[in-house]
Amino acid sequence: QKEVEQNSGPLSVPEGAIASLNCTYSDRGSQSFFWYRQYSGKSPELIMFIYSNGDKEDGRFTAQLNKASQYVSLLIRDSQPSDSATYLCAVNPTTDSWGKLQFGAGTQVVVTP
Amino acid sequence: EAGVVQSPRYKIIEKKQPVAFWCNPISGHNTLYWYLQNLGQGPELLIRYENEEAVDDSQLPKDRFSAERLKGVDSTLKIQPAELGDSAVYLCASSLRQGSSGELFFGEGSRLTVL
Repeated sequence: QKEVEQNSGPLSVPEGAIASLNCTYSDRGSQSFFWYRQYSGKSPELIMFIYSNGDKEDGRFTAQLNKASQYVSLLIRDSQPSDSATYLCAVNPTTDSWGKLQFGAGTQVVVTP
Repeated sequence: EAGVVQSPRYKIIEKKQPVAFWCNPISGHNTLYWYLQNLGQGPELLIRYENEEAVDDSQLPKDRFSAERLKGVDSTLKIQPAELGDSAVYLCASSLRQGSSGELFFGEGSRLTVL
């Protein structure tokens, strides 16, 4: 079992709709959670990070964390064609291994006009 | 502000040949990482440096891979000899010290093809 699991997709989303991405992790002691966006042939770039249970909003993006259920999700509202990319979920397992992010394989999102 | 710079962007070599990748992190970032990314997969950590000290190299295949970060700035990742399975993108990233948000800033990557 992989430590960070994501649906590979592709997730096809009509322009203007909400894209919902999910991620589960195996290490119950994980402390911090990140969503990176990666365009084809480019390097990952951070979209959001979340540490506490609940929702965190930043513009059109909302990250949701539920530590009891060991999942983190990302919502993209009013999806745009420029949101078409692979979204990587990353988990920092424990506070004493800072920077040792474990990445999921990513979910490909395709926003159709 | 300049981002993380990597070179070369692309490299094609024959198997059993050596190859080296270079990384210059963002100025002031003490932590430097080398990640390996296979097609369709997320990045996997190879080695992490705090200044010039390798604090986590448990995932680095030490029989053929080596890395150094002299003077705590630039870093070089070397593979000798390369194998077919080493074909991948090698990503360098940097971040501020522990206690920051933990955001990693990635370079554009070095894409290696081993024939």
